Amino acid sequence: EPEVTQTPSHQVTQMGQEVILRCVPISNHLYFYWYRQILGQKVEFLVSFYNNEISEKSEIFDDQFSVERPDGSNFTLKIRSTKLEDSAMYFCASGGVIRETQYFGPGTRLLVL
Amino acid sequence: KNEVEQSPQNLTAQEGEFITINCSYSVGISALHWLQQHPGGGIVSLFMLSSGKKKHGRLIATINIQEKHSSLHITASHPRDSAVYICAVRSAGAGSYQLTFGKGTKLSVIP
Repeated sequence: EPEVTQTPSHQVTQMGQEVILRCVPISNHLYFYWYRQILGQKVEFLVSFYNNEISEKSEIFDDQFSVERPDGSNFTLKIRSTKLEDSAMYFCASGGVIRETQYFGPGTRLLVL
Repeated sequence: KNEVEQSPQNLTAQEGEFITINCSYSVGISALHWLQQHPGGGIVSLFMLSSGKKKHGRLIATINIQEKHSSLHITASHPRDSAVYICAVRSAGAGSYQLTFGKGTKLSVIP
């Protein structure tokens, strides 16, 4: 069964460093999402992406964040200058023709020191 | 902004018990999702529903749009059902597909 994959599974970085989180959505999907979950808290929406542009973003998704679909298969989330509070699990999700259904990846656990 | 509340926060059950997890929301929705989060953190989508009832194996999800309430039932619970169950909603309104999540219900099923 097709699945969403994410790399790396864990990443440790120093405050102020740039990180890129990678996702490979299900191949024929059109809609892509990033969510995050700070330890012990709710999952929160960050951004959605369709037709090579951002379709929605939350207040969390400020200028430090960017998303890209560089090659038609990967979907990346870049954090330009990480802060301690960016430590969280980041989930990618993708959706197909039935946009309501979202398939989640296993997550990347980011730790900023 | 939609507020999503789940109850209970924590639930311990004996193997074989019937389990109910509740979700209520404050604003009309287009769709409601039930998700399962494993101890390692990964999220699996269980159901997406906008009306009525859906069943998959031992899992049943119901929604009452008028009461803004949904329930997830697990019949004949098993230790492998131990996980966090999360309710998430898409608020009604043109063009917005972002999900708002509840805090989750942590279920532990004891053999």
